[in-house]
Parts: sequence; C-alpha cells; structure tokens
Amino acid sequence: GQSLEQPSEVTAVEGAIVQINCTYQTSGFYGLSWYQQHDGGAPTFLSYNGLDGLEETGRFSSFLSRSDSYGYLLLQELQMKDSASYFCAVSRKHSGGGADGLTFGKGTHLIIQP
Amino acid sequence: DGGITQSPKYLFRKEGQNVTLSCEQNLNHDAMYWYRQDPGQGLRLIYYSQIVNDFQKGDIAEGYSVSREKKESFPLTVTSAQKNPTAFYLCASSILGQVGEQFFGPGTRLTVL
Repeated sequence: GQSLEQPSEVTAVEGAIVQINCTYQTSGFYGLSWYQQHDGGAPTFLSYNGLDGLEETGRFSSFLSRSDSYGYLLLQELQMKDSASYFCAVSRKHSGGGADGLTFGKGTHLIIQP
Repeated sequence: DGGITQSPKYLFRKEGQNVTLSCEQNLNHDAMYWYRQDPGQGLRLIYYSQIVNDFQKGDIAEGYSVSREKKESFPLTVTSAQKNPTAFYLCASSILGQVGEQFFGPGTRLTVL
C-alpha cells in the first residue's frame, strides 16, 4: 500500500520561513507534488518533483530525496494569505505504464501569526 | 477562460438514492480524476480516466460509477451502495503523463440525509 506522513499543524510568524516535511512509502514511485487548499476551497497545484533536488517557484521551493523517501515544501516571506492546508501527494506508476492518480497525505494546517 | 466546472456546489439527497455529479473541463486535457475528501483528511482517488471511453478504479471505487463519453466530461454517480456518501467531491484534470500537476474544480459538497 501507500502511506504519506506530514505534520498535522505548523505555526509560523508573518515574514518568516517555514518547512513542511513529508515522508512516503509507496511502490512504483513516480513523483512528489504539493498542493495548497484554503478552507472550503479546491486544492491548487504548487510544485512537483520527479527527480532529486530542489525546485523553486517564487516564494515556494520543494525538495525531494528519492533514496530517503522524503520531501519538503519551503515557504519564504510568509504572508497571512499563506494560512491554509498543504498536502503532499505521490504519483505512482501503474501496470500499463505511465502514472495513475495521486495519493495524498492528510495535510498540514499552516497557521500564520502576525 | 479555461477551467473545470462542477455542479452543483451543494447537493442534498435522501439515503438510498443515486446521485450524479457533473464535471466539465475546457482545458483540452486527456486525463480526468475524481477524488473524495472527508473533514480533516486528504483526498482519496475514486476513479480516473486517461482517454475517452476508458477509465480505471482508484483506491475507493466501491459504490461509485463513472463514464467518459466525451473528452470534456467525466460525471460521477454515487450509488446507494456507497455506505458513507456524505463528503466533498473534487474533480480534476491534467495533461496526459503529467499526473503530478492536476487542476481542480471547485468541488461539490454532497450531504445524504
């Protein structure tokens, strides 16, 4: 089966940097994605790592280590609007080739304090 | 503007009734997905489709059915066999082969009374 572990809640201060970790166990690993979801809203895509290393997109960066089955999302210059839930998700290879849908972690609720 | 639409936003049904949730996209994506989200939980994959007239079961397909007759549309039917149907249902699409980057619709909140 597949499982992902991420902290349930993280608190940080406006303007600071926060890191949200994710460890996973899955067969046929394809890549690790990160999504943001505000209360009552739909998830929005933030980042994807298919290879080891760091991907940077503006204030957000994501890192993957396939050998450690570990990744993280780094948010810099935190703003109040970053208060949301953040989900890591793995995509898996399926028997027919390619990847099937995503398996999500339970999410990390990020609280930003002024 | 390109995007994914789901309707209705809120849906109430009596226990024992089947209900169909609609999902339409104009992003020209080949792949479409249905997820279910329960309070405080992550999303769980119900069904996915990579091409018209073909679809595959996800992790929690029991009690659900789908069809993919058109590239733009991927409706989900929640049948009376689904034991706990009350949930937030999200439809998504992606470019074929780019499953890691999915675009989500606004979701439908289904409440079964």
